[in-house]
Amino acid sequence: DIQMTQSPSSVSASVGDRVTITCRASQDISRRLAWFQQKPGMAPKLLIYTASNLQSGVPSRFSGSGSGTDFNITINNLQLEDFATYFCQQANSFPLTFGGGTKVEIK
Amino acid sequence: QVQLQESGPGLVKPSQTLSLTCTVSGDSISTSDYYWSWIRQPPGKGLEWIGYVFHSGDTLYTPSLKSRLAISVDTSKNQFSLNLHSATAADSAVYYCARFPRITHGWFFRVWGRGTPVAVSS
Repeated sequence: DIQMTQSPSSVSASVGDRVTITCRASQDISRRLAWFQQKPGMAPKLLIYTASNLQSGVPSRFSGSGSGTDFNITINNLQLEDFATYFCQQANSFPLTFGGGTKVEIK
Repeated sequence: QVQLQESGPGLVKPSQTLSLTCTVSGDSISTSDYYWSWIRQPPGKGLEWIGYVFHSGDTLYTPSLKSRLAISVDTSKNQFSLNLHSATAADSAVYYCARFPRITHGWFFRVWGRGTPVAVSS
C-alpha cells in the first residue's frame, strides 16, 4: 500500500493569511493526487485533482502543486469558510489511500 | 444531479454483520463510467477506502478487510451494499458511499453521500 503522510497535523492561521499543507507519498505517484476539504459533520469535498487541477466551483485562492512524492496545497487569503480539515488522496494504485489530515484552525 | 444516500443500522453488536446500503438517484448505477465505493472514517480520525463494486458485480477490496467484506450491487434498485462480517469496536465509524470515474488513475471521489455513523457495541 502507498502511505500518504501529511504535515503539519494542524495549523493556526488568521483570515487573510496564506497556508500551505504538504503531502508526501511513500513512492512515486506521478501527479495522481487529490485534495479534499472536510467540515465537521459533512462529507469531504473535492478541491483539487491530478495535483493541480481545480475542481469546478472551487475558489481560485486554492492551488495545488507537486509531482512524484511531494505535493502541496496552498490557500491564499484565507477566508472564514476555509477553516476545516484537509486530506490528500493518491490515485496511483489500489488500495486508494488518504493522508491523515491537516486541521486549519483560527488563530 | 447524482445523489448518494447511505442507510442502515446505527448500532451493531460485536461479532455481528455490519450492513449498509447506498441508494443512487439522478444517475443509473449501471453506467460503465463509474465505480461505486465505500469509505469510512473512525471518530476523530482519517479516511479509509474500503472497496468498490462495478455494475457487473466486479469488486475490489482493501486487503486489510478483504476476509470479512462483501460489496454487492442491485441494479434493479439502483443500490449497492456493504456487508462487513464479525464486526468489532474498531469498525465503529462514519461510513460514506461515493463514486469515482472508471478512468485509469482518474480515481478521484467527486460525489459522496452524507455519511452514516455506525457504532459497534453491546
